[in-house]
Amino acid sequence: QLHLQESGPGLVKPSETLSLTCTVSGGSISSTSYHWGWIRQPPGKGLELIGRIYYSGSDYYNPSLKSRVTISVDTSKNQFYLKVRSVTAADTAMYYCARIPLDGPSGVFDYWGQGTLVTVSS
Amino acid sequence: EIVMTQSPATLSVSPGERATLSCRASQSVGSNLAWYQHQPGQAPRLLIYDASTRATDIPARFSGSGSGTEFTLTISSLQSEDFAVYYCQQYNTWPLYTFGQGTKLDIK
Repeated sequence: QLHLQESGPGLVKPSETLSLTCTVSGGSISSTSYHWGWIRQPPGKGLELIGRIYYSGSDYYNPSLKSRVTISVDTSKNQFYLKVRSVTAADTAMYYCARIPLDGPSGVFDYWGQGTLVTVSS
Repeated sequence: EIVMTQSPATLSVSPGERATLSCRASQSVGSNLAWYQHQPGQAPRLLIYDASTRATDIPARFSGSGSGTEFTLTISSLQSEDFAVYYCQQYNTWPLYTFGQGTKLDIK
């Protein structure tokens, strides 16, 4: 059974960098059949795709966040990562990592982590 | 960006009854529509994809319908474990997928 687990600091100061790790177990992040994505949900708001990455490092970012976000992958550790620079209170959210199949069906998020709450505050 | 609008925001239904949740897209997404269930403190779970196909191990009481801009998730005979928040998501506009704001299904 595939399992994804987010980890990282729960509190980040304004203007600093938010860094999260998603550890994948029960499956290989090097599979050619999947992308790996980050999604967030600010309090009281809907879900927002942050971006996604392929095991090769090919990435995509939501245009609304692209200038501040980097997603990377370490296949040797079966982990992928999220960095959000210059954070503000608006980046306070529950952050989820998830798997995205490349086909059958392509574009859904078929496995998710439980999420980690990140608060931006001084 | 395609905007997904879910209604109602909150739906109160008694156990054993049917629940009908709606999702509307600001432009056609074909059948590229998924539904998720989210219980507090748990990972969201994929219920339906391609508008009407149940994901693996999803009970038959969950069904999806619609195409284009109007979609419906129906849960027949609600069980206690079905009370949760439900999200729709379009994946027609690769790679910028968008979600609805969610419908909270609670016990009447």
